[in-house]
Amino acid sequence: GEDVEQSLFLSVREGDSSVINCTYTDSSSTYLYWYKQEPGAGLQLLTYIFSNMDMKQDQRLTVLLNKKDKHLSLRIADTQTGDSAIYFCAESLPGTASKLTFGTGTRLQVTL
Amino acid sequence: DADVTQTPRNRITKTGKRIMLECSQTKGHDRMYWYRQDPGLGLRLIYYSFDVKDINKGEISDGYSVSRQAQAKFSLSLESAIPNQTALYFCATSRGGPSYNEQFFGPGTRLTVL
Repeated sequence: GEDVEQSLFLSVREGDSSVINCTYTDSSSTYLYWYKQEPGAGLQLLTYIFSNMDMKQDQRLTVLLNKKDKHLSLRIADTQTGDSAIYFCAESLPGTASKLTFGTGTRLQVTL
Repeated sequence: DADVTQTPRNRITKTGKRIMLECSQTKGHDRMYWYRQDPGLGLRLIYYSFDVKDINKGEISDGYSVSRQAQAKFSLSLESAIPNQTALYFCATSRGGPSYNEQFFGPGTRLTVL
């Protein structure tokens, strides 16, 4: 089966780094994604990583993928109050590229 | 202008009523999806459609039905609403294809069933 799990809540101070973690159970995942949901809005794709990569960097965002442990993380450098949101990881499987399985979501709270 | 719109944005209804949630998109995407979001459970797929003639059940389709009236329109119906269908509902679209799949989400419909 497909289970994608995340911790529910993370609080960080403005300017610090945030690390949001995700574990998944299906080792055949082809792509893994991070989506952001701001209050009162739908989800927006932040970044994604192909399963044959270990790391992807995009400005303040760093994605790390450990396929052996089925662990995905999102690091946000210099976290700002505008980063406060719910972050979802998601996976897609071979042959089902259009279907995503989402994690439970992590609410990031940024304090001053 | 929003690319994916949902109506209504909020709805309160009573147990046993029939409810329809509507989704429209101007992105020209073939693929459309309905999800529900519950606290602590993330997003779960209800139904999805890869083109006008294609409808597929997701992981939690019981109690729901859908209609793909056109490429741009995908509606979700609750034939007889029950309180545990109280949730935030999202429509999404994607281009599809073999590579990574970015889904574009509407703003959501908050449904309360009393």
